[in-house]
Amino acid sequence: QKEVEQNSGPLSVPEGAIASLNCTYSDRGSQSFFWYRQYSGKSPELIMFIYSNGDKEDGRFTAQLNKASQYVSLLIRDSQPSDSATYLCAVDSGGYQKVTFGTGTKLQVIP
Amino acid sequence: DAGVIQSPRHEVTEMGQEVTLRCKPISGHNSLFWYRQTMMRGLELLIYFNNNVPIDDSGMPEDRFSAKMPNASFSTLKIQPSEPRDSAVYFCASNEGRVESPLHFGNGTRLTVT
Repeated sequence: QKEVEQNSGPLSVPEGAIASLNCTYSDRGSQSFFWYRQYSGKSPELIMFIYSNGDKEDGRFTAQLNKASQYVSLLIRDSQPSDSATYLCAVDSGGYQKVTFGTGTKLQVIP
Repeated sequence: DAGVIQSPRHEVTEMGQEVTLRCKPISGHNSLFWYRQTMMRGLELLIYFNNNVPIDDSGMPEDRFSAKMPNASFSTLKIQPSEPRDSAVYFCASNEGRVESPLHFGNGTRLTVT
């Protein structure tokens, strides 16, 4: 079983819609959860992190964490073509910054 | 700050040759990470250092891979001998060593082994 699982996509949404990206993880001891965005040919960049159950909002982005279900999600409201990228879920599962990444979900926002 | 600096950006080499990838972390960051990214396996953690000390190298695929961090501002990842299956993008990242501290990635080195 993979430690961090994501649907590879592509996930296609029309411009202005809500994009919902999902991630599950296997280590119940995981404490911190991150979403990175990676444009094609570029390096990953952090867009959100969350460590408490519930929702965390930052602009058009909302991260949701449910530790009981071992599930973390990212919602992107009012999706823009510039949001088209691969979104990587990352989990700090080693207790000392051993950050494990999922394989990413490719998002396509259609104008 | 210039960010994490990696060199070279691209490396093409023949099977059996030695390859050395270099990384300069952000000044003040005390943790450094080497990742490898492929289409099939995504981003894989190879090794990470804290205060120049290797903490976990369980992701290093085999003895052909080695990494060093002789000081706080420099790290190398060496592959000897290289094989075609080593072809990938290798990223170096650094952070401030706290659990919630984000990883700052370099631009990566695209390695092609023919």
